[in-house]
Amino acid sequence: AQSVAQPEDQVNVAEGNPLTVKCTYSVSGNPYLFWYVQYPNRGLQFLLKYITGDNLVKGSYGFEAEFNKSQTSFHLKKPSALVSDSALYFCAVRGSGNTPLVFGKGTRLSVIA
Amino acid sequence: NAGVTQTPKFQVLKTGQSMTLQCAQDMNHNSMYWYRQDPGMGLRLIYYSASEGTTDKGEVPNGYNVSRLNKREFSLRLESAAPSQTSVYFCASSRGQGASEQFFGPGTRLTVL
Repeated sequence: AQSVAQPEDQVNVAEGNPLTVKCTYSVSGNPYLFWYVQYPNRGLQFLLKYITGDNLVKGSYGFEAEFNKSQTSFHLKKPSALVSDSALYFCAVRGSGNTPLVFGKGTRLSVIA
Repeated sequence: NAGVTQTPKFQVLKTGQSMTLQCAQDMNHNSMYWYRQDPGMGLRLIYYSASEGTTDKGEVPNGYNVSRLNKREFSLRLESAAPSQTSVYFCASSRGQGASEQFFGPGTRLTVL
């Protein structure tokens, strides 16, 4: 069975500092990995995905994520955080075949001015 | 191009009442999904439709039914609402399965008294 773990419920970072939101996964075969962001009272918005190829994936709003197969991780990063990045972030994984997407429980990012 | 739309935005039901949540997408996507979001639980898949004419159970299907009315529309029905079904419900769509990212609607906040 596939699963996703986001080990931190909350991440606090000062504006201008780099941020990392952690994600580890378990899946059969090669994974498809996704990051989504949710702002208050809104639906989820797609940020970026890893399918194959380069381990560093770049996405929307200056975010990037690094796929590490040996550590089964897909951490979300941004070099310089903005207050407007404060939101709920979800990691998701899908394995091979037509298995549905599985979401982590989410990490709340708070960027403090 | 409205993307994914959901109606209603808010609903309050009494235990035992029934209702249908409506979802439509205008992106010509093949796959559609219904999720529920509860605090600390992330998103959990209720039902999905990989393509027009097919529906499959997700992680938490009990107490729900779905109808893929056509390629655009995918409805979720609660036949006899229970307080445990108090949640925020999101509809999503994607071009296909596999590596396709999902696009989410704005959500329906449902309270069952």
